[in-house]
Amino acid sequence: GIQVEQSPPDLILQEGANSTLRCNFSDSVNNLQWFHQNPWGQLINLFYIPSGTKQNGRLSATTVATERYSLLYISSSQTTDSGVYFCAPRPLSNYKLTFGKGTLLTVNP
Amino acid sequence: ETGVTQTPRHLVMGMTNKKSLKCEQHLGHNAMYWYKQSAKKPLELMFVYSLEERVENNSVPSRFSPECPNSSHLFLHLHTLQPEDSALYLCASSQDLGRGSQDTQYFGPGTRLTVL
Repeated sequence: GIQVEQSPPDLILQEGANSTLRCNFSDSVNNLQWFHQNPWGQLINLFYIPSGTKQNGRLSATTVATERYSLLYISSSQTTDSGVYFCAPRPLSNYKLTFGKGTLLTVNP
Repeated sequence: ETGVTQTPRHLVMGMTNKKSLKCEQHLGHNAMYWYKQSAKKPLELMFVYSLEERVENNSVPSRFSPECPNSSHLFLHLHTLQPEDSALYLCASSQDLGRGSQDTQYFGPGTRLTVL
């Protein structure tokens, strides 16, 4: 099956800093979602982005499908951005999202 | 997000108990999913239903028994669980099974299960 690698595994920031999270995947995809899991376990949809670039407030994401990676940018980070960020691509061959191990982000005040 | 709800939010049970987890989606979706999230591991897909028909059973032990009575409701019946089954159980739904490119899965808040 498709392999998904997220980096870095852990990231600690001061409030106001910017960051880039990376997701590499091993197969061609027709869907890729980014999620934020808050400390209570809720998975929140951030982006549906199989290719191209999207922006939503302080967050933006870029997927380069031909090179099999996606990036999540967080600007002017806030303490409420803390949590785990998951990348989940879906290969062309089936309907299943495959989750990476996530990046644990801690934003300190 | 309140489009997908799960109850209970927390559950503690003994190994001999029988309990059920409930998921309800209010999005008019046709596909529903159960995932398991154990500590330090990626989310694992357990079951998938499309139009109330099970289409995926990912080598899950028989002590987990799913039920989908209609496209809005999904249950996970639990019996004689083991302590290693303690985890966060997440339900999700999507418009369809996601074979097309325009699909997104929406997750419920999860049930945190502890098996003693």
